[in-house]
Amino acid sequence: GQQVMQIPQYQHVQEGEDFTTYCNSSTTLSNIQWYKQRPGGHPVFLIQLVKSGEVKKQKRLTFQFGEAKKNSSLHITATQTTDVGTYFCAGHVLTGGGNKLTFGTGTQLKVEL
Amino acid sequence: GAGVSQSPRYKVAKRGQDVALRCDPISGHVSLFWYQQALGQGPEFLTYFQNEAQLDKSGLPSDRFFAERPEGSVSTLKIQRTQKEDSAVYLCASSNIEGLAGVIQETQYFGPGTRLLVL
Repeated sequence: GQQVMQIPQYQHVQEGEDFTTYCNSSTTLSNIQWYKQRPGGHPVFLIQLVKSGEVKKQKRLTFQFGEAKKNSSLHITATQTTDVGTYFCAGHVLTGGGNKLTFGTGTQLKVEL
Repeated sequence: GAGVSQSPRYKVAKRGQDVALRCDPISGHVSLFWYQQALGQGPEFLTYFQNEAQLDKSGLPSDRFFAERPEGSVSTLKIQRTQKEDSAVYLCASSNIEGLAGVIQETQYFGPGTRLLVL
């Protein structure tokens, strides 16, 4: 079945350092979504990318969708303590997946002062 | 509030007991999803409804799991004869198709989840 892997699994950074999480799907995706889940909370939608090679920015966050639509990345510039949480990518399979959203394994970010 | 709500928030069940988890989606949302999230893992798809129709139940782990949405709004996930491995957070999400800048987007809005512990 379809698998969506993320690396790294965990990342500890000092406040102000940059952070990147990478997402790789075993199958081509029609779109990629990113969610943030705070400790004890539920996933909250951040953004959706649809086009091959698409890049979107939200303040300090930069999201990229790969040319082959099988991988994606999230980069945070100058992390803050408010960035703490687990970041999940999630994608719809290009064919045959229907409305099923497959989540990645997640990257847990901890930010230290 | 206008968000997705779930009840109960916490449930402790003895092995073999039946449980029912409720989801109230955002009013007017056509699509409703159930996910299972084990500790330290990403949400895993269980089932999907469009209005009252269950269009995909491929993620339900066994026939002990059953979901319904009889009137196309509130949904219930029932687990019969619970086992220890059923312990997880059960998340419900609802969504609607949105057209943003010419792009069709279906944002899923998650509820707070029900944390189930089977002893």
